[in-house]
Amino acid sequence: QSVLTQPPSASGTPGQRVTISCSGSSSNIGSYTVNWYQQLPGTAPKLLIYNNNWRPSGVPDRFSGSKSGTSASLAISGVQSEDEADYYCASWDDSLSGWVFGGGTKLTVL
Amino acid sequence: EVQLVESGGGLVQPGGSLRLSCAASGFPFNTYSLYHLNWVRQAPGKGLEWVSFISSSGSTIFYPDSVKGRFTVSRDNAKNSLYLQMHSLIVEDTAVYYCARGIQGGHYGLDVWGQGTAVTVSS
Repeated sequence: QSVLTQPPSASGTPGQRVTISCSGSSSNIGSYTVNWYQQLPGTAPKLLIYNNNWRPSGVPDRFSGSKSGTSASLAISGVQSEDEADYYCASWDDSLSGWVFGGGTKLTVL
Repeated sequence: EVQLVESGGGLVQPGGSLRLSCAASGFPFNTYSLYHLNWVRQAPGKGLEWVSFISSSGSTIFYPDSVKGRFTVSRDNAKNSLYLQMHSLIVEDTAVYYCARGIQGGHYGLDVWGQGTAVTVSS
């Protein structure tokens, strides 16, 4: 059971907008920023969004993040086939004094 | 380019020990010691689980309850290296272990990850 809650799956057709939600609590998302990771099959996770809505250099601007209260979401505008991957949200947690992750969302591009 | 490379994984029997290493390269001169570091693991077919945090100086260390008392994280800033000593291993510790760098300035995220090293605990 993950501390942060994500839907296990999401899907969209090429060009569609897809969103993935992430729900937490006051000790994590409610107090700290949210980051998102993309994990392609057989590879290490890659930072996609940090500080709620900042993109590291090289991440396409079709990826965006938002946060409100104890929830956050990742949006992919104009999803592409290469975006098929697992996506994880994460945040620091004060109660656990550590990083907490969502269970991951498997994105399928139909 | 900043890189993290893990090593030390392998097959170990339940109750055994293993020491993982994470070698860093590409950090600008004398900056490795400015970054907090973490170990994160991923069991086969499962999600990500944070395993340890060590501050830039090594003075602050955190673990989740699942590994507390069994795992010890350390770092050698002179060698740009991070370690994870694992004792009393159980089957549930089977996973790919990643080292990951924390973004400077706060708990904003983990911006550099290694490729991972696989640990299998089995008799």
